[in-house]
Amino acid sequence: EAGVAQSPRYKIIEKRQSVAFWCNPISGHATLYWYQQILGQGPKLLIQFQNNGVVDDSQLPKDRFSAERLKGVDSTLKIQPAKLEDSAVYLCASSYSGTSGSGEQFFGPGTRLTVL
Amino acid sequence: SQKIEQNSEALNIQEGKTATLTCNYTNYSPAYLQWYRQDPGRGPVFLLLIRENEKEKRKERLKVTFDTTLKQSLFHITASQPADSATYLCASAGGTSYGKLTFGQGTILTVHP
Repeated sequence: EAGVAQSPRYKIIEKRQSVAFWCNPISGHATLYWYQQILGQGPKLLIQFQNNGVVDDSQLPKDRFSAERLKGVDSTLKIQPAKLEDSAVYLCASSYSGTSGSGEQFFGPGTRLTVL
Repeated sequence: SQKIEQNSEALNIQEGKTATLTCNYTNYSPAYLQWYRQDPGRGPVFLLLIRENEKEKRKERLKVTFDTTLKQSLFHITASQPADSATYLCASAGGTSYGKLTFGQGTILTVHP
């Protein structure tokens, strides 16, 4: 079974530039999550999708971050404009269903973003 | 909001010993807790889940407990090996969004040969 795919793996940008990350979840997984993991900390949930609808985006800085999951499969997370404090690893995860059961989450390898 | 604290930033033990990692939560009792392992440069990998009505769960050399009175979960690795060296993350589920996880900061475990 193919795992969660993310690209790019690494990205370096200057502050105030924009950047986009892509995620392809495991086939058949209805729920998709984007996390931000700052060095030395645990992952922090940014947004949770159930199919192509948003379930939770309470911790997403909506003035600069946006995410979409068209057709309920792939997802894109965008930052515009980037700030120095956005330097982190952005992890995508998927689970079979986030609204029933207690499915484990499968994580991708992450995208390491450095903002200079 | 829920806060998860893993009270050891780093834990060093000798091979063959049992590693015990602690996870404390501050507010509501979560429907379940999950434990993940994270290696450098990789995403977390699920290890174990324990529900609030379960006291203990085992999987091979791993054991996790859940004490709702102490608001605490303990994660044990018996007969530890250098290959067990990694960061271990505790995550609390529940709250307003089912499936939403709140992670602790992780404990870096190093098993010395």
